[in-house]
Amino acid sequence: DAGITQSPRHKVTETGTPVTLRCHQTENHRYMYWYRQDPGHGLRLIHYSYGVKDTDKGEVSDGYSVSRSKTEDFLLTLESATSSQTSVYFCAISQGERGYTFGSGTRLTVV
Amino acid sequence: GEDVEQSLFLSVREGDSSVINCTYTDSSSTYLYWYKQEPGAGLQLLTYIFSNMDMKQDQRLTVLLNKKDKHLSLRIADTQTGDSAIYFCADHGSGNTGKLIFGQGTTLQVKP
Repeated sequence: DAGITQSPRHKVTETGTPVTLRCHQTENHRYMYWYRQDPGHGLRLIHYSYGVKDTDKGEVSDGYSVSRSKTEDFLLTLESATSSQTSVYFCAISQGERGYTFGSGTRLTVV
Repeated sequence: GEDVEQSLFLSVREGDSSVINCTYTDSSSTYLYWYKQEPGAGLQLLTYIFSNMDMKQDQRLTVLLNKKDKHLSLRIADTQTGDSAIYFCADHGSGNTGKLIFGQGTTLQVKP
């Protein structure tokens, strides 16, 4: 199984503060993704990366930025957290035709 | 853009068959996936099907694909209480970015 870990698992933060979520993989996969999961919306793509320093926007990228300075780490930053960004965030890696392997998720609450 | 739709809720009795349905809009889909999410956990791949196949069977799971109608279904035979979860359909289009488009998820409730 691909090793993929997310940190932190839970976070509560105040409106207006910056927040960074981390996704770490151990198997040198090229493609990595950040999704958010909200009731009634399923999973929506925020940003994705196709290599070191190569990233692109997904369908709900406003208010988020990403960085990938090493193959194994993909960081998601909320520059100034808002209550609408309260969600569960999932990182995933692509395993080609076998689809994604997901991390365990980060539950973020913005108060 | 591409879209994937699922009904939100399905309730069945233990031992019955469950059928979860999904429709998608991308006529260039290459693979289609079913994922399962248990409470508080991430998504786990259940099965997937190539777009040139009509059916795939894997133990209690049967996937049917109707490309003409862009309709995908997942049948779970002899449904157990441990099958209670959210099931997501996902579409991999023809692009090379590996992006998957997910449906809203179907919550399957299995009553004893």
